[in-house]
Amino acid sequence: AQSVTQPDIHITVSEGASLELRCNYSYGATPYLFWYVQSPGQGLQLLLKYFSGDTLVQGIKGFEAEFKRSQSSFNLRKPSVHWSDAAEYFCAVGAYSGAGSYQLTFGKGTKLSVIP
Amino acid sequence: DGGITQSPKYLFRKEGQNVTLSCEQNLNHDAMYWYRQDPGQGLRLIYYSQIVNDFQKGDIAEGYSVSREKKESFPLTVTSAQKNPTAFYLCASSILGDGRPQHFGDGTRLSIL
Repeated sequence: AQSVTQPDIHITVSEGASLELRCNYSYGATPYLFWYVQSPGQGLQLLLKYFSGDTLVQGIKGFEAEFKRSQSSFNLRKPSVHWSDAAEYFCAVGAYSGAGSYQLTFGKGTKLSVIP
Repeated sequence: DGGITQSPKYLFRKEGQNVTLSCEQNLNHDAMYWYRQDPGQGLRLIYYSQIVNDFQKGDIAEGYSVSREKKESFPLTVTSAQKNPTAFYLCASSILGDGRPQHFGDGTRLSIL
């Protein structure tokens, strides 16, 4: 079965600093990978997705992520963080379950705090 | 604009009561999903449906029930058998097929009185 690990529960960065959120996945085939962002009390918004091809994918709000097959990682990056980026971030892998249906499996999330 | 509407935003339940959470989408998506979110636990799949009148259990279906009588609607009932129902519930939908991202509603927070 597939799984997703986000090693950092909480990260604090200063506004203007660069950001990297880590995500490691476990899946036997080429995965479909996603990053979502969630503001408090809200639903999840899709930031970006990786299906195949170029391993560096661009998303909304200035985010990008790099797929590294050798490391089973899909880390999210942003060159300069804004205070409005404070939220919780979820990595997810899309794969077929044991029942044969396509599903998303989510990591437990990384909460980002931004210091002005 | 197309999207997913969850109602109500906040819901309170007395011990022993069943409550139903509403989820409606106008994205013309075939697949719909219910997740439970607890602090530090990420999202856990409760039920999902890929077609009208058919649905499957997810990882934590005990104490929950669903129906899918219309493509647009996928209500979730939290029964009295669910012993720890206090959580944030998220509904999502997607186009069927490999690699399709899910689109989420704004959630319903359920609390026990």
